[in-house]
Amino acid sequence: KQEVTQIPAALSVPEGENLVLNCSFTDSAIYNLQWFRQDPGKGLTSLLLIQSSQREQTSGRLNASLDKSSGRSTLYIAASQPGDSATYLCAVQEDSSYKLIFGSGTRLLVRP
Amino acid sequence: DTEVTQTPKHLVMGMTNKKSLKCEQHMGHRAMYWYKQKAKKPPELMFVYSYEKLSINESVPSRFSPECPNSSLLNLHLHALQPEDSALYLCASSRPSLGYQETQYFGPGTRLLVL
Repeated sequence: KQEVTQIPAALSVPEGENLVLNCSFTDSAIYNLQWFRQDPGKGLTSLLLIQSSQREQTSGRLNASLDKSSGRSTLYIAASQPGDSATYLCAVQEDSSYKLIFGSGTRLLVRP
Repeated sequence: DTEVTQTPKHLVMGMTNKKSLKCEQHMGHRAMYWYKQKAKKPPELMFVYSYEKLSINESVPSRFSPECPNSSLLNLHLHALQPEDSALYLCASSRPSLGYQETQYFGPGTRLLVL
């Protein structure tokens, strides 16, 4: 059974710092991996989707990498800002079904 | 338009009430989803509709009844809920899978409290 883990559970950094969020999964046979952002009490916003054949995706200050063989993904946030404060969730899709398996998230606080 | 809308934003209901949650998208997506999210937990998939047909039911109790009346609308009918069903209910949509997953677009959610 696929399990997705995110470490750390919470992270507090000063503004301007570069940071890395980690996501690991137990079964490397995945279709893709997605990173989402969730603000308190709100829905999820998709940040990046990495297909299984890809190694990384970039969007603005965000860069996500995928290493299927080791079952790991990282989300790199450059020059963090207070507006980046949110919970970041990674999710894997195992097969052609629509089901996403989520990690429990990393709560990020960027201090001014 | 990349928006998924959900109504109501908040809902308080008693255990004997019947209520419905509504989700709408106009992106031409043919896959729609219901998720349940408890506080400080990740979303848990409940149902998936593909081309207006139920394709996944994650063993959800029958007091939750989904309905997809057309390609833009998704409803979740609630009846005889329990206090432990209190949660944020999220709707999402995506283009149909073609062997890989398209990005899911999420609505803002309905915050449900069952008394």
